Amino acid sequence: KNQVEQSPQSLIILEGKNCTLQCNYTVSPFSNLRWYKQDTGRGPVSLTIMTFSENTKSNGRYTATLDADTKQSSLHITASQLSDSASYICVVSGVVGFQKLVFGTGTRLLVSP
Amino acid sequence: GAVVSQHPSWVICKSGTSVKIECRSLDFQATTMFWYRQFPKQSLMLMATSNEGSKATYEQGVEKDKFLINHASLTLSTLTVTSAHPEDSSFYICSAAIGGPGNEQFFGPGTRLTVL
Repeated sequence: KNQVEQSPQSLIILEGKNCTLQCNYTVSPFSNLRWYKQDTGRGPVSLTIMTFSENTKSNGRYTATLDADTKQSSLHITASQLSDSASYICVVSGVVGFQKLVFGTGTRLLVSP
Repeated sequence: GAVVSQHPSWVICKSGTSVKIECRSLDFQATTMFWYRQFPKQSLMLMATSNEGSKATYEQGVEKDKFLINHASLTLSTLTVTSAHPEDSSFYICSAAIGGPGNEQFFGPGTRLTVL
């Protein structure tokens, strides 16, 4: 069964600190993996996307890694800001392209002052 | 670029009434649009895939007669929740793919539906 699992479910960190979110997937065949940020009451916004051959991708203070062999990905947030408080969703596409996305349940991050 | 809007952003209705939600791609043509539902603290669940000019493809367990989808143009898709009940209360999110179903999806801001 195609699944995407994320950990932790929720996380509280102090402003300025770093954190790493984890994503494990069983989707096969694998096409690409994307991390989204979803603010409360808003739609998801794309942060990074990685294909099978990519190991890391950065977007400002966000850095995603991918190990296609172990089917694991991580999202590292550096020097967190209050505006980083949101849900972070790992999404895997099991076909070529982006249709039929498999969504993780997300990690709810709270950055505290 | 690649902006998707939804209207309304939130709606409250009485049980038994119908509610229409619009999804628009503002600066691109979307051959394919997707409708998702998200319950509190849960992930997005795909409801249906909508292709311009043809009938929507519904996911297993989604009632096509209850959730009417119309994709009349390359920039507009609508979701109508018919005879809404409290259990239909949810966050509905659409996404649009540039050029076809195999391409990147851009998500709208979502519509919060509350059925009393």
